[in-house]
This record gives sequence, structure tokens and C-alpha cells, in this order.
Amino acid sequence: SQTIHQWPATLVQPVGSPLSLECTVEGTSNPNLYWYRQAAGRGLQLLFYSVGIGQISSEVPQNLSASRPQDRQFILSSKKLLLSDSGFYLCAWSRVGGTEAFFGQGTRLTVV
Amino acid sequence: AQSVSQHNHHVILSEAASLELGCNYSYGGTVNLFWYVQYPGQHLQLLLKYFSGDPLVKGIKGFEAEFIKSKFSFNLRKPSVQWSDTAEYFCAVNPSSYSSASKIIFGSGTRLSIRP
Repeated sequence: SQTIHQWPATLVQPVGSPLSLECTVEGTSNPNLYWYRQAAGRGLQLLFYSVGIGQISSEVPQNLSASRPQDRQFILSSKKLLLSDSGFYLCAWSRVGGTEAFFGQGTRLTVV
Repeated sequence: AQSVSQHNHHVILSEAASLELGCNYSYGGTVNLFWYVQYPGQHLQLLLKYFSGDPLVKGIKGFEAEFIKSKFSFNLRKPSVQWSDTAEYFCAVNPSSYSSASKIIFGSGTRLSIRP
């Protein structure tokens, strides 16, 4: 069966510090991968999605970037965090061709 | 750009009342449609999905949704809610089912509170 791992679960970082959140999927090949940010009253905002290694589509211009160095690994990064980057970040995967997304447990990021 | 609208931000009902949560999307092509639920403190779970065929789909826990293509809608319904249905509900759309680029776009969510 397929599983998705996302870490860390919580993170407190100072303004201006770098960020690296990692997500890996097991039990499937060539998944579509997603990073979302969930904010109260705003639902899930799609940040990045990827259909293959090195292929990243950005949905919202911002202080974050994403990379996919391996087939089942998706990384969300920032060189310098802003206070506005605080939020709940979710990684997800889906099968090629358009199926439902399966979510990780999320990372609560607080920038102080 | 594609978007998903959930017009009800917070719905409060008594137990046994009927539920209908609205979802409209903006995309003229083929779509896959989903409803997710997030119970307090838990991660997102799929309630039901529509890919093709019968526009009335049934999901878990007695939920159902109806796809009305002419209205670009996919409303969620339940005839009789329970206190345990208290959660946040998200509608989602995958606007390109035949390509490899499978964006999944979510609405802003509807918080459902059930009074015991």
C-alpha cells in the first residue's frame, strides 16, 4: 500500500532563516506531488505541483520554492522566511491521470 | 484561472437536520470532482469522488453529491446529520483528467457545526 511521510510535524523558525520541509511517498511510482498551504477560512491553497523529477509548476508567486530531486521526494524550501510564511503546510500525491489526492499529516510552521 | 467556490463558510445545524453544502467551479472542460472532510485534529480524508457516469455519487458515512454540469456544481448532501459530522468540508476539482498535469484545486472550505 502507498504511504506518504511529511516532516517535521511542527517547526518554529526565526524570521530570515531558511526552510526545508520534506515529503516522501512510498509504494507507488511517478506520482503527481503537491504542496498546499492551509489557512483558516482560505481552504487549501495550491503552492506547487510536480508531474516528474525536476518538473515543478508554481501556482502562487511567493517566498517559497519547491524541488523534486527524486521520483518520490518533494521538498519545500525558502532562503529567508517571512512572518507571513507561517501556516500549515500539506504535502499530497495522486496517481497520473487525475485521481484523488492523498495527504500527509502536515507541518505547522511558525515564523517568529 | 480555475477556481472552486464554497459559498457557505460556517453552517450550524441540529442533529437529524438535512445538510446541503454548495460547491461551484469555473472550468469548461472535463473535470474530476471531490469532497474531502477534515475532522478536528485529523488529516484530510476523501468523502466521495466523481469521475464519470452517474452524476449522483455516494460516499462514506451516508454522504452523497450530485454533479450538475450545466450549473458547474457539485453539492454535498446528507439527509440526517449526526454530531460526529462536525468537521470542515472541502470541495476540490481536478480540471485536466486526460493530461499528466493534474492540478487539484480546493475551495475555501465549509465549517460544519452540529448541535447535539
